[in-house]
Amino acid sequence: QLQLQESGPGLVKPSETLSLTCTVSGYSISSPPYYWAWIRQPPGKGLEWTATIHYGGSTYYNPSLKSRITISLDKSKNQFALKLSSVTAADTAVYYCARRVLGMAYFDYWGRGILVTVSS
Amino acid sequence: DIQMTQSPSTLSASVGDRVTITCRASQTISSWLAWYQQKPGRAPKLLIYKVSSLEDGVPSRFSGSGSGTEFTLSISSLQPDDFATYYCQQYSINPWTFGQGTMVDIK
Repeated sequence: QLQLQESGPGLVKPSETLSLTCTVSGYSISSPPYYWAWIRQPPGKGLEWTATIHYGGSTYYNPSLKSRITISLDKSKNQFALKLSSVTAADTAVYYCARRVLGMAYFDYWGRGILVTVSS
Repeated sequence: DIQMTQSPSTLSASVGDRVTITCRASQTISSWLAWYQQKPGRAPKLLIYKVSSLEDGVPSRFSGSGSGTEFTLSISSLQPDDFATYYCQQYSINPWTFGQGTMVDIK
């Protein structure tokens, strides 16, 4: 049974870097045919796709965040990570990690989400 | 970016009602559309992909239709477990974008 679990600090100061990790169990993230993604949801608002990484390491970013965001794989730990730099209050959101199907960019498995608040 | 607009934003309905939610794309997305259900405090759950393909385990009372720029999600007979917020998502053109959501609540 595939499971995804987000972890990281729940509070980040403005201008600092938000760092989150998604631990995947039940499937090797370095095996085809999946991609791995981060999607966020500001409190009371809709969903925003932020970044995706292919099992082979190719990365894809939302242009609105591209200058600040990095997604990476840690195959030894079966984890993937998100870093978002120079955060502001607008980056406050629940961050979900998710799996994306090869060939079609919808998300079939999601983690439970982690609330990250940007505040001093 | 492709804008996805859902209507209505809120829908009040009773158990047993047939419910229809509309999602319009700002440009054609062919059949690259998914629907998700989200309950408060929970992650979204995939219901339908490629407009009308039901994800494994999703009840058959859910169905999707449409093409191009206009799509619908229908629930044939609303059940207590279906009161939730529903989102459409296009995956035709990067960046993948979601609608703003439709909340289905109890009438």
